[in-house]
Amino acid sequence: EMQLVESGGGLVQPGRSLRLSCAASGFTFADYAMHWVRQAPGKGLEWVSGITWNSGNTFYADSVKGRFTISRDNAKNSLFLQMNSLRAEDMALYYCVKDRGSYLDGFEVWGQGTMVTVSA
Amino acid sequence: EIVMTQSPATLSMSPGERATLSCRASQFINTNLAWFQQKPGQAPRLLIYGASTRATGIPARFSGSGSGTEFILTISSLQSGDSALYYCQQYNNWPPGDTFGQGTRLEIK
Repeated sequence: EMQLVESGGGLVQPGRSLRLSCAASGFTFADYAMHWVRQAPGKGLEWVSGITWNSGNTFYADSVKGRFTISRDNAKNSLFLQMNSLRAEDMALYYCVKDRGSYLDGFEVWGQGTMVTVSA
Repeated sequence: EIVMTQSPATLSMSPGERATLSCRASQFINTNLAWFQQKPGQAPRLLIYGASTRATGIPARFSGSGSGTEFILTISSLQSGDSALYYCQQYNNWPPGDTFGQGTRLEIK
């Protein structure tokens, strides 16, 4: 069974940093692109960032460009999101999402999410 | 940037009925569209991709249609467990911008 387990969320002050991790299992992680998608409390879904199978290409939403960095370690079946200069509007449940393909073919499997709270 | 618009915002139906959910893209996206179901407190689940292909394990009651800019998700023989938020999502353009629609809330009376 394909599984994604996020970690690293928590309470952080505005302007500080946080690093999210996602542990993947049940599929060949290195074969697939991966994404982070977030959902603010009571709001809809917002794609945040994506990375191709070999880290050759990374993509970011305008709202996080220059502040967030996506990366992956295929040897450890892990996806990361380094979040710097956090703002109140970054507060959300962050989902790790497996792509259907190696490049960017749409979202398939979702983790249960890790909550990021930005507050003084 | 492509904008996805879903309608209606809320849909209230009875068990056994057929629900029709619409999604419109502001630009041509071919059939690069997916539908997701999200129940309270749960992560979204992929229902349909390629506009009309059911994901693994999704019952045949769920069907998708459309291409270009107009898409439909049909749920037949509604069950109480179908109560959820349904999102459409385009993956024709990357980065996708506002890739998700705002969602349709389906309530089963």
